[in-house]
Amino acid sequence: GAGVSQSPSNKVTEKGKDVELRCDPISGHTALYWYRQSLGQGLEFLIYFQGNSAPDKSGLPSDRFSAERTGGSVSTLTIQRTQQEDSAVYLCASTRRQGSAEAFFGQGTRLTVV
Amino acid sequence: GENVEQHPSTLSVQEGDSAVIKCTYSDSASNYFPWYKQELGKRPQLIIDIRSNVGEKKDQRIAVTLNKTAKHFSLHITETQPEDSAVYFCAASNRGTGGFKTIFGAGTRLFVKA
Repeated sequence: GAGVSQSPSNKVTEKGKDVELRCDPISGHTALYWYRQSLGQGLEFLIYFQGNSAPDKSGLPSDRFSAERTGGSVSTLTIQRTQQEDSAVYLCASTRRQGSAEAFFGQGTRLTVV
Repeated sequence: GENVEQHPSTLSVQEGDSAVIKCTYSDSASNYFPWYKQELGKRPQLIIDIRSNVGEKKDQRIAVTLNKTAKHFSLHITETQPEDSAVYFCAASNRGTGGFKTIFGAGTRLFVKA
């Protein structure tokens, strides 16, 4: 596609439910990142994929969070048993393997846990 | 692990004044340093970048400087305007065998007062 696409754009869920957030990176981009941004705050690194493997999962806040990437393309971030503190905007970004390392961001998924 | 520190977290300037945001990085292998601007409710977008073989780069009212020895880099905005108000993120990136890995600073919220 023309840009990084995330879905859904907004998600309201009840506390305790599981949610899946999807990121579709720019075609050909090998690196994919997930970040969390709470209201008015900076970018909190969650996980980084190079191809289908995740060499750095150090940012995942708890074992309720997991992510996978298949086919070197689409990635899903899963949050199990959601808590109110999980409410934030979840941003995905991708970068090319060759050439510029510019990160292209999706529009984000705004997650609200009620 | 790799880390990027960014200061200040909040910066308020009068229209027409200059604004300076500073970042330090820990990974000496970093060789690409982009800056992103995130306007309210929008995704971060690249505004300027600098590579490790260059000490300074300018683009109209924006300039970046890099000191590889000290592992710090800065963003300078001159003649600030209200539309410069946004959150600015620095980042440090290095190219591994599989592609680029990018670490972001926590962000600086810039307010330009008219």
